[in-house]
Amino acid sequence: EIVMTQSPATLSVSPGERATLSCRASRSLSSDLAWYQQKPGQAPRLLIYGASTRATGIPARFSGSGSGTEFTLTISSLQSEDFAVYYCQQYNDWPPLTFGGGTKVEIK
Amino acid sequence: QVQLVESGGGVVQPGRSLRLSCAASGFSFSNNGMQWVRQAPGKGLEWVAVISYDGSNKYHADSVKGRFTISRDNSKNTLYLQMNSLRVEDTAVYYCAKGGGEMALEYWGQGTLVTVSS
Repeated sequence: EIVMTQSPATLSVSPGERATLSCRASRSLSSDLAWYQQKPGQAPRLLIYGASTRATGIPARFSGSGSGTEFTLTISSLQSEDFAVYYCQQYNDWPPLTFGGGTKVEIK
Repeated sequence: QVQLVESGGGVVQPGRSLRLSCAASGFSFSNNGMQWVRQAPGKGLEWVAVISYDGSNKYHADSVKGRFTISRDNSKNTLYLQMNSLRVEDTAVYYCAKGGGEMALEYWGQGTLVTVSS
């Protein structure tokens, strides 16, 4: 089973600042990595797939990078609606499909 | 537009059974793999099961293997999760999502809450 580790668990950022979230896989995923955003009481929303491709309708301030075992989600200038929990997920080697534990982005 | 609507959640005693449904519309259901993902209260996302477009291939997480079964009825555009021998630790919001295991999950339902409690 591929273990996904996200860091930090919580990130405190001021509106307008840049946020950098990390996701590490226990073995190589190539680029089979997705990022999701989840707000309280809502279903997850796909942001990035293929490690770096934005999903339909996702603003350009969200970008993904990395390959192999190290991945990054960057939010270039945080807006109020971006404060949420973010999850990474691998779909390279399954079953099982595995998610990271999440990073909560909170207002500083 | 793609719509996924889960139903069937509720409060159930440990050891009992429950069947969740996910009604799909807005896309060719019979051509797409589908998944169930759950989220315990205050916790992260946990993959539960995946089924191929025609139902011929199914995989379940170790935590539910032997107790839960994913299935589908392509004539009704509906995905199911039969949950037997429920445990307190199965308490979660259960989401259905469009996509096989080889892809990211672009469409999710709103979720249905299952509470296992005596």
